[in-house]
Amino acid sequence: RKEVEQDPGPFNVPEGATVAFNCTYSNSASQSFFWYRQDCRKEPKLLMSVYSSGNEDGRFTAQLNRASQYISLLIRDSKLSDSATYLCVVNVAGFQKLVFGTGTRLLVSP
Amino acid sequence: DAGVIQSPRHEVTEMGQEVTLRCKPISGHDYLFWYRQTMMRGLELLIYFNNNVPIDDSGMPEDRFSAKMPNASFSTLKIQPSEPRDSAVYFCASSSNTGGPRNEQFFGPGTRLTVL
Repeated sequence: RKEVEQDPGPFNVPEGATVAFNCTYSNSASQSFFWYRQDCRKEPKLLMSVYSSGNEDGRFTAQLNRASQYISLLIRDSKLSDSATYLCVVNVAGFQKLVFGTGTRLLVSP
Repeated sequence: DAGVIQSPRHEVTEMGQEVTLRCKPISGHDYLFWYRQTMMRGLELLIYFNNNVPIDDSGMPEDRFSAKMPNASFSTLKIQPSEPRDSAVYFCASSSNTGGPRNEQFFGPGTRLTVL
């Protein structure tokens, strides 16, 4: 079983739609959680950290469910510029090592 | 700041040749990471350094791969001999240990390696 699993997609949505991605992780010792964004043929960049109580950054909302070991990302009012691959990332306490999911591809169309 | 710098950006080589990838981390960052990304396996951590010392090389696929960090501003990843299955995008990333595990990792633009 992979340490971090994501639906690869692609998710095809029209502009203005709301879309949600889920991710599951296997290591119950995981302590820190993130979403990274990767544009086509570019490097990954941090989108947002995920906090236990859930957190919001503009149109983006991240949730964490430790009991079920899953993380979600909700994007409201999708823009064309949101088209990218979204990587779910976890970190085990005490280590700088990050484990990346294989990513979920989002395509936002006009 | 210039960000993480990697060279070359593209490398095409023939099977059996030695390949050396280079990375300059962000100044002041004390962690450096080497990743490999393929369509099938996604982004995999190969090795990481803290203060120029290798901490975890469990992701290095085999003895053909080696990495060094002779000083705080330079690291290399070497593949010798290269094989077609090594074809991938290799990313270098760096981070600073100022806030524990929530430190952001900053990635370089990657080196796209093709082994024929």
